Amino acid sequence: SQQGEEDPQALSIQEGENATMNCSYKTSINNLQWYRQNSGRGLVHLILIRSNEREKHSGRLRVTLDTSKKSSSLLITASRAADTASYFCATDREDSNYQLIWGAGTKLIIKP
Amino acid sequence: DTGVSQNPRHKITKRGQNVTFRCDPISEHNRLYWYRQTLGQGPEFLTYFQNEAQLEKSRLLSDRFSAERPKGSFSTLEIQRTEQGDSAMYLCASRVGSGSGNTIYFGEGSWLTVV
Repeated sequence: SQQGEEDPQALSIQEGENATMNCSYKTSINNLQWYRQNSGRGLVHLILIRSNEREKHSGRLRVTLDTSKKSSSLLITASRAADTASYFCATDREDSNYQLIWGAGTKLIIKP
Repeated sequence: DTGVSQNPRHKITKRGQNVTFRCDPISEHNRLYWYRQTLGQGPEFLTYFQNEAQLEKSRLLSDRFSAERPKGSFSTLEIQRTEQGDSAMYLCASRVGSGSGNTIYFGEGSWLTVV
């Protein structure tokens, strides 16, 4: 069964604006990872945040984690057309050989 | 290129035929995963290897599916007597070490279309 749920399911913004995507999950986690997937392609790792971290930055990406609310957010600042993709959050399941459990993703469209 | 490699990238097959996909993980990665993904959905876990041992299989993996990792390096996923419902992208991923905390790296996937 899916663990994470991304919200919104789809997001369309103008180039240059910031994009925020949210992820909620159900069980305790060791870490949460965000991935990007261009249409028809594989998944590209963006950032990993551990359960004892609250915020992490990587270039134009900012990820927050609130373990009390079982939620995470991904912020992409100064969006570019090349950021158009689907974004997924994934969590490690302790009871299952640390396989990642995924949501259905947020489809982000950046309009030039 | 030292990333996860999958082939073939695309496969069209007739219903009832067998297909095999190959995955070459990143060389020092002892853990290997297979996932399946359909349009508009996140990946679904299929099976997991630690070195050559297949430690976990999803209930999604019917008897028609078999995966191997004979020498703890590359892996194959075979689907026998394919059905139209098997049409999906099959993703391979690898990871180093044990426990959590290490990034999982994915290949570009193998698209299967069953006609």
